[in-house]
Amino acid sequence: EPEVTQTPSHQVTQMGQEVILRCVPISNHLYFYWYRQILGQKVEFLVSFYNNEISEKSEIFDDQFSVERPDGSNFTLKIRSTKLEDSAMYFCASSSLTGGGTEAFFGQGTRLTVV
Amino acid sequence: DAKTTQPPSMDCAEGRAANLPCNHSTISGNEYVYWYRQIHSQGPQYIIHGLKNNETNEMASLIITEDRKSSTLILPHATLRDTAVYYCIVRGSGNTGKLIFGQGTTLQVKP
Repeated sequence: EPEVTQTPSHQVTQMGQEVILRCVPISNHLYFYWYRQILGQKVEFLVSFYNNEISEKSEIFDDQFSVERPDGSNFTLKIRSTKLEDSAMYFCASSSLTGGGTEAFFGQGTRLTVV
Repeated sequence: DAKTTQPPSMDCAEGRAANLPCNHSTISGNEYVYWYRQIHSQGPQYIIHGLKNNETNEMASLIITEDRKSSTLILPHATLRDTAVYYCIVRGSGNTGKLIFGQGTTLQVKP
């Protein structure tokens, strides 16, 4: 069964460093998303991406964040200068369509720890 | 997208049906009801979705009331592995595809 894969599963970084989280969406999907979940809190939408551009972003997704689809298979989230409060699980998701009747599938997440 | 209301927690005996309710009284005609679950800190797992008809798949059944203001997710024979947080989410057709997660219902399946 096709699945969304994320690497690494766990990343530890020093405050102020740049990190890149990687995702391989399901191969025929066209819409890509990043979410995050701070420990003990709910899953929060960060950004949606389609046709090589951001289609929507939340207020969390400030100038420190960027997304890219560098090739035909990867979808990345970059955090330019990490802060302690960026420590969270980051989930990538993809879907074949948007709209009310289409499901999105999530990866298993990357646990980012900023020290 | 309409808001949803779910009980914060529920218990269910192993082998019995788990019925998880969700209220979405402000749902509009083109909005779908989705259910996801999250086991521990894993990625949210898609379960099922529907518009107005009842739906069933290999994981669960979704019962939507005729007025569409509420729905129930049914896990017919709950197992210990079904212990998770279950999220009911309403999403419209004009949406960019994002899902807005609430606090969900923590289902504890007990032996």
